Amino acid sequence: DQQVKQNSPSLSVQEGRISILNCDYTNSMFDYFLWYKKYPAEGPTFLISISSIKDKNEDGRFTVFLNKSAKHLSLHIVPSQPGDSAVYFCAASDRNRDDKIIFGKGTRLHILP
Amino acid sequence: DVKVTQSSRYLVKRTGEKVFLECVQDMDHENMFWYRQDPGLGLRLIYFSYDVKMKEKGDIPEGYSVSREKKERFSLILESASTNQTSMYLCASSSLAGGADTQYFGPGTRLTVL
Repeated sequence: DQQVKQNSPSLSVQEGRISILNCDYTNSMFDYFLWYKKYPAEGPTFLISISSIKDKNEDGRFTVFLNKSAKHLSLHIVPSQPGDSAVYFCAASDRNRDDKIIFGKGTRLHILP
Repeated sequence: DVKVTQSSRYLVKRTGEKVFLECVQDMDHENMFWYRQDPGLGLRLIYFSYDVKMKEKGDIPEGYSVSREKKERFSLILESASTNQTSMYLCASSSLAGGADTQYFGPGTRLTVL
């Protein structure tokens, strides 16, 4: 049973445009959400996170939006740059339960020149 | 900066061999994790540890064991490697401080079992 779903395996976006990566979750107890970025042959690197008490968190070109009623979050990258081409993992945690993070299957983002 | 290191970037082993994957973190983190990443399956948790000598099974522990004798070191052991254990193995650590769950990952070990 997949608790964190990234329904788009891949996404292509023109350089300079906005990239929007989506993520849905099923467990209403999740209270902390994260996005990781992964290049081939490297470990994932933490990108941005959001607590369930917020609906938006912004860090430079990256913004995460959380819609708790829809159990949906999205990562916006604007403007998209060639170095943004990577696999993006959405992840969620129930911090009242334990320190485990549940990861989605990832979305491969291609930034087109 | 948090640093998580893994003993090998690439490893090739034969079926039936015993395989040790080592992970070391230098930030005094309490939690350490082992994942495997496979195409189309994302990151799957194998084992994790909250403290020295403590271990908990993740989602796919079969065929694996772990050891945490020191706080900074978490080892993943494949008792008898099989071809279906060919994968990218990722170690991560996180701190209990502040309740934050941000995990920091090592560079990964790509294991091929022939």
